[in-house]
Amino acid sequence: DTGVSQDPRHKITKRGQNVTFRCDPISEHNRLYWYRQTLGQGPEFLTYFQNEAQLEKSRLLSDRFSAERPKGSFSTLEIQRTEQGDSAMYLCAGGDGQGSGNTIYFGEGSWLTVV
Amino acid sequence: AQSVTQLDSQVPVFEEAPVELRCNYSSSVSVYLFWYVQYPNQGLQLLLKYLSGSTLVKGINGFEAEFNKSQTSFHLRKPSVHISDTAEYFCAVKTGGGNKLTFGTGTQLKVEL
Repeated sequence: DTGVSQDPRHKITKRGQNVTFRCDPISEHNRLYWYRQTLGQGPEFLTYFQNEAQLEKSRLLSDRFSAERPKGSFSTLEIQRTEQGDSAMYLCAGGDGQGSGNTIYFGEGSWLTVV
Repeated sequence: AQSVTQLDSQVPVFEEAPVELRCNYSSSVSVYLFWYVQYPNQGLQLLLKYLSGSTLVKGINGFEAEFNKSQTSFHLRKPSVHISDTAEYFCAVKTGGGNKLTFGTGTQLKVEL
């Protein structure tokens, strides 16, 4: 158990609807990451927070995607006007930022299916 | 920019046989290397990591990996696999000073009786 929890674990939505995923890391994780993983592929970086500041965003994060970490604890990832291509597993990960080699611990992921 | 190549998409192996999963990376700066395992419908679990020091790194579940700077490789090995090792294995790299992990495409290890 990495201590990183994600909710919901599974979400089926109709194309065009908005969805929101939540991630709760442990309190020591001042760093928080979102990744996306499609079938047969490795996880792809989406965005990174240090405390409440969003410090890096991937080009994969289109303007339909928005992530927040308002108090430096939990984080949300919202996808607006979902498309079938958004179907994937969305992984959240936390890290304690101890040096550049800090280890990243992943949650169980949130599966999104857009129909 | 860094990248990771996992040369084998699938590796079938019989139970109790040894296995090696290959990983090569590309980076112009110093790197930190990781192996993660993913069981069906689950998140990623850290197996082991190389940050510095000894190039032979031991991890959980009897796995080990060796960092080879000259060959830019970080191959994962286990001397005797078990059915429960059947899973997807991902190699990942992080540069010194960088914030994110870059993953390979994964290797599906299938252990057969």
